[in-house]
Amino acid sequence: GESVGLHLPTLSVQEGDNSIINCAYSNSASDYFIWYKQESGKGPQFIIDIRSNMDKRQGQRVTVLLNKTVKHLSLQIAATQPGDSAVYFCAERAPYNTDKLIFGTGTRLQVFP
Amino acid sequence: DSGVTQTPKHLITATGQRVTLRCSPRSGDLSVYWYQQSLDQGLQFLIQYYNGEERAKGNILERFSAQQFPDLHSELNLSSLELGDSALYFCASKGAGSYNEQFFGPGTRLTVL
Repeated sequence: GESVGLHLPTLSVQEGDNSIINCAYSNSASDYFIWYKQESGKGPQFIIDIRSNMDKRQGQRVTVLLNKTVKHLSLQIAATQPGDSAVYFCAERAPYNTDKLIFGTGTRLQVFP
Repeated sequence: DSGVTQTPKHLITATGQRVTLRCSPRSGDLSVYWYQQSLDQGLQFLIQYYNGEERAKGNILERFSAQQFPDLHSELNLSSLELGDSALYFCASKGAGSYNEQFFGPGTRLTVL
């Protein structure tokens, strides 16, 4: 499940710091967004989702912010831990096909001690 | 563990050959999705099935086909394989409800030599 060959943007943070991963989505009519985490050798794992009628949603140590004006999503991870090291993808649900997900290119998060 | 299973985990074959990848969705999930993750393309939606019927198509080549069986497992058939088909192939499933996230399997790594 690794994307090591991709030229992914990389975010390096120190353990304990907060991380912010950004994503620009493509379609202003998309109504549902998901953040996935992909660890090496594994499939994407659901982290958090948000509907287009919301601006913010919080989970355990994670917060997703949605800015529809500029078609921007962000994922905030509080108190980043080594286990958070992975590639993070945002996905938008295509507006004219209710189940098709369009994935962003991903961001690699590296957590160092 | 997402509850989605895929076999085989690894597959090595030669150009021109045909392979079949298998996916079993989470118990009760009627929707199955197939994605390709290559080194330079990220996660690309291929096709979706719902309760045995094709629901949506993405960037799936004509050499590729899929089906979903009455027991809801799905197979992705890749024929006349080319070097560029080497990638990770993921299956995902989704429960009822329009906002449910997709749960991904561990993937099949296909290497075409």
